[in-house]
Amino acid sequence: EVQLVQSGAEVKKPGESLKISCKGSGYSFTSYWIGWVRQMPGKGLEWMGIIYPGDSDTRYSPSFQGQVTISADKSISTAYLQWSSLKASDTAMYYCARRGSSFLGMDVWGQGTTVTVSS
Amino acid sequence: AIQLTQSPSSLSASVGDRVTITCRASQGISSALAWYQQKPGKAPKLLIYDASSLESGVPSRFSGSGSGTDFTLTISSLQPEDFATYYCQQFNNYRFTFGPGTKVDIK
Repeated sequence: EVQLVQSGAEVKKPGESLKISCKGSGYSFTSYWIGWVRQMPGKGLEWMGIIYPGDSDTRYSPSFQGQVTISADKSISTAYLQWSSLKASDTAMYYCARRGSSFLGMDVWGQGTTVTVSS
Repeated sequence: AIQLTQSPSSLSASVGDRVTITCRASQGISSALAWYQQKPGKAPKLLIYDASSLESGVPSRFSGSGSGTDFTLTISSLQPEDFATYYCQQFNNYRFTFGPGTKVDIK
């Protein structure tokens, strides 16, 4: 079964660092782009960026460039989203999703990771 | 950056109704558009890719059309399980922005 499994919920304080993960299985992890999407409470979906694990080519939304770092470790089929200094406004659900290999759509989604930043 | 607008932002409909949601891009994107369904507390689900291709396993009552700047998602006969929020997403130049969403609820 093709799936993306994300790490568990996090509760952090402002200024702390965080790295959440997204592990792919059931397919060739290095052959598909993996994107990250933010959904703030009660709001819509926001595109953050995307990585190609095969060569770590990474593209960021201008809104998130410099705010987060997207990376991948192809040896363990895992993509990451990290923050060096969290803010309360980073409180949200974060999804990873796979882009179709030959079509334009995100066809497999992780279950989401809730990040809560509060003092 | 390309902006997407959706209309309406919300609608109320009955089971069996035909529902149409529109997505407009701020500049032409050919057929580089997908549609998703999201239910509360769940991850989005891909319905349509490449503007008009039905994702495997998605009921045929869902269809997509359009190219360039104007796109449409149609649900031919609304079912109880279709009450959800629908998003379009464009795939241009790796800045894959989403539309603001359309919430479909029960009349």
